[in-house]
Amino acid sequence: AQSVTQLGSHVSVSEGALVLLRCNYSSSVPPYLFWYVQYPNQGLQLLLKYTSAATLVKGINGFEAEFKKSETSFHLTKPSAHMSDAAEYFCAVSDDYKLSFGAGTTVTVRA
Amino acid sequence: NAGVMQNPRHLVRRRGQEARLRCSPMKGHSHVYWYRQLPEEGLKFMVYLQKENIIDESGMPKERFSAEFPKEGPSILRIQQVVRGDSAAYFCASSPPGTSGRQDTQYFGPGTRLTVL
Repeated sequence: AQSVTQLGSHVSVSEGALVLLRCNYSSSVPPYLFWYVQYPNQGLQLLLKYTSAATLVKGINGFEAEFKKSETSFHLTKPSAHMSDAAEYFCAVSDDYKLSFGAGTTVTVRA
Repeated sequence: NAGVMQNPRHLVRRRGQEARLRCSPMKGHSHVYWYRQLPEEGLKFMVYLQKENIIDESGMPKERFSAEFPKEGPSILRIQQVVRGDSAAYFCASSPPGTSGRQDTQYFGPGTRLTVL
């Protein structure tokens, strides 16, 4: 079965600083990986997904993620944090049609 | 808004009552997935349905939980005789016909927050 682990349940960054959220996966087959964002009291919104076309994936709102097979990682980054980036972020791997999610990382942005 | 709709957004039930959660998929979508999010945890898959068919219910508790997606109307997740441990956020997602593969995107609704007193 496929699974992901998110390192760090809370991340605090200053406005304008780099955002780095860590995700490691475990998969017996080439993985399909996703990052979702959840704003308070809202559903999950897709930020980006990796489907083996390119190892560096660009998403919405200035986010990108790099797939590294040697490290079994799919970390999410944004060069410059904005106050509106405060939310919870979930990494997920697809196991056929089921998504297996990590426990989530809550991002707070300091002014 | 053509997104996935769920209602109610918040539901309070007393132990022993029934909870009915509704999900209307995005227009044109015929695949529906239900996930549960317990406090401090990620989302866990519960069930996958297509119109009038349950494709995979491997994530559903064996008792008290059921789901349907009728030919007409929304998908319903039903929890009978609720207990405090059922308190969670329940999310519905949908995808278009011809999808449900590993790389396909699921579109999520805003969730229903169930509180059992």
